[in-house]
Amino acid sequence: SQTIHQWPATLVQPVGSPLSLECTVEGTSNPNLYWYRQAAGRGLQLLFYSVGIGQISSEVPQNLSASRPQDRQFILSSKKLLLSDSGFYLCAWSRSASSYSNQPQHFGDGTRLSIL
Amino acid sequence: GQQVMQIPQYQHVQEGEDFTTYCNSSTTLSNIQWYKQRPGGHPVFLIQLVKSGEVKKQKRLTFQFGEAKKNSSLHITATQTTDVGTYFCAGPPTDSWGKLQFGAGTQVVVTP
Repeated sequence: SQTIHQWPATLVQPVGSPLSLECTVEGTSNPNLYWYRQAAGRGLQLLFYSVGIGQISSEVPQNLSASRPQDRQFILSSKKLLLSDSGFYLCAWSRSASSYSNQPQHFGDGTRLSIL
Repeated sequence: GQQVMQIPQYQHVQEGEDFTTYCNSSTTLSNIQWYKQRPGGHPVFLIQLVKSGEVKKQKRLTFQFGEAKKNSSLHITATQTTDVGTYFCAGPPTDSWGKLQFGAGTQVVVTP
């Protein structure tokens, strides 16, 4: 069966510090990978989307970046965090979509990021 | 661009009562998915609807896709405390490939 691991579960960082959140998927190959941010009590905002190694689509201009160095590894980074970067960050995977069909997305447990 | 809207934003339900939450898209959707997020948890996939007018049931949950494929609903009968959480609908943006646009969600609170 497939599993998704995301860590850390919580993180408190000072403004201006760097960030690295990691997500790995097991039990499948060539998944689509996603990074979302969820503000408290709000919906999901898609940040980055990847269909393969080294292929990253950025959905929202910001001071965050994403990388996919391996097939089942997705990393969210920042060089300098802002107060507005606080939130709940969720990694998700889905099977590759064919044409315009969609596959269910499976989410990790998320990282609660607080910027001080 | 496409927008996916959910109403109501909040729903207070007495245990045992029924309720419905609605999802509307500004454009026709090829399919729609529903997710549930428990308080403090992550979204969990519930179901996907593909066909016009499709109705699917999961125990006390009934999901419907509109005839025009621009709206969907989730109806829960005999609400239980385990139904607490936020329910999201999500649909693919126009000309997208594998991406989903999530609605803002309906937060459900159940009173015993």
